[in-house]
Amino acid sequence: GENVEQHPSTLSVQEGDSAVIKCTYSDSASNYFPWYKQELGKRPQLIIDIRSNVGEKKDQRIAVTLNKTAKHFSLHITETQPEDSAVYFCAARPGFSGNTPLVFGKGTRLSVIA
Amino acid sequence: GAVVSQHPSWVICKSGTSVKIECRSLDFQATTMFWYRQFPKQSLMLMATSNEGSKATYEQGVEKDKFLINHASLTLSTLTVTSAHPEDSSFYICSARESGAGTDTQYFGPGTRLTVL
Repeated sequence: GENVEQHPSTLSVQEGDSAVIKCTYSDSASNYFPWYKQELGKRPQLIIDIRSNVGEKKDQRIAVTLNKTAKHFSLHITETQPEDSAVYFCAARPGFSGNTPLVFGKGTRLSVIA
Repeated sequence: GAVVSQHPSWVICKSGTSVKIECRSLDFQATTMFWYRQFPKQSLMLMATSNEGSKATYEQGVEKDKFLINHASLTLSTLTVTSAHPEDSSFYICSARESGAGTDTQYFGPGTRLTVL
């Protein structure tokens, strides 16, 4: 089955700096890769996603890149702010059906230091 | 955007009792919902896939007789933790995807924190 590895597990950056979180996946059939942000005690919130027919997607300060050949995708946050502090999860969906469950990475705890 | 609700948001119960958690899609229909369990500072662990009108699909290691799932309508799935024990204490989160909308997005409920004494 699909296996998603996420690094680093913790990340501290100074406010205004960039943060990069990387994930690898094992199933070449995976075609959908969302990123979720989870604040303490709250639900995961989708922040950006990318499909396998796209190499990069950007939404304001957040961008995701996908390398299908290498089977890895990354989240980039620029101009970080204290409110970006949270746990970020990457995920991959094996198969083409929208009803296939996502496989999550173990998460990255991002701390933005003011 | 699509909204998923869960009830209750937290519950404390005695060991041996059963607890039912509801997951509702408020403004869309979901033929499939997913139930996750999350321990403190850990990732989301998929427990089962809930299919409307049919039996749930459980992940390996998840006892189907312990965690009963019912998906009786296109907007409601329930998870019942039967004969709960302290080791069942956890954060339970459901997610749902809008059926037939041509979108891949899965929306999460706010979660239910279960504490078994």
